[in-house]
Amino acid sequence: DQQVKQNSPSLSVQEGRISILNCDYTNSMFDYFLWYKKYPAEGPTFLISISSIKDKNEDGRFTVFLNKSAKHLSLHIVPSQPGDSAVYFCAASTYNFNKFYFGSGTKLNVKP
Amino acid sequence: EPEVTQTPSHQVTQMGQEVILRCVPISNHLYFYWYRQILGQKVEFLVSFYNNEISEKSEIFDDQFSVERPDGSNFTLKIRSTKLEDSAMYFCASSMTGADQPQHFGDGTRLSIL
Repeated sequence: DQQVKQNSPSLSVQEGRISILNCDYTNSMFDYFLWYKKYPAEGPTFLISISSIKDKNEDGRFTVFLNKSAKHLSLHIVPSQPGDSAVYFCAASTYNFNKFYFGSGTKLNVKP
Repeated sequence: EPEVTQTPSHQVTQMGQEVILRCVPISNHLYFYWYRQILGQKVEFLVSFYNNEISEKSEIFDDQFSVERPDGSNFTLKIRSTKLEDSAMYFCASSMTGADQPQHFGDGTRLSIL
């Protein structure tokens, strides 16, 4: 049931630079996409979301891009800060079903 | 800011025993979820719950699992006869309106089956 995939298990970026985290999905019926951040010993924390009718959503340093034809979304963090170091999960849902699919996560390390 | 709370933070249980994991969702939320994360793997959906009944469940959520909202504030996950492979982090989440809104997660219960 690999409907949402994050193919990069880890990413290392210098402080101040851009972090780009990628996510691919297979189900064209997904209506809603989210990014969560997770620190060790804590639950996932919601970061930003995007509806399938949009191709971009921005919130401060975080921007999510959705490319429906490629079934791809990405999260851009600019500028990256050491406190951004965490595991990032993308997730997706269809409005008709009360169920979310998560990717396997990308561990981001922002070096000072 | 209101938060989802889960108890206990760590549960150690003998294989074959029943275990109940407890969650207090955010008070005005109507949709409730359980997820699990086996060490190093992805977060997996188990079940969603709305209006006092299960709305969706995954293939993982077999007859050994059940959920309940016994008193209008708690939301529990019961595993009837635990197996070694049930060892994982279990996360509870809640949201106001379901699959079109982000969920708020608790910090999880680490379940260790011996």
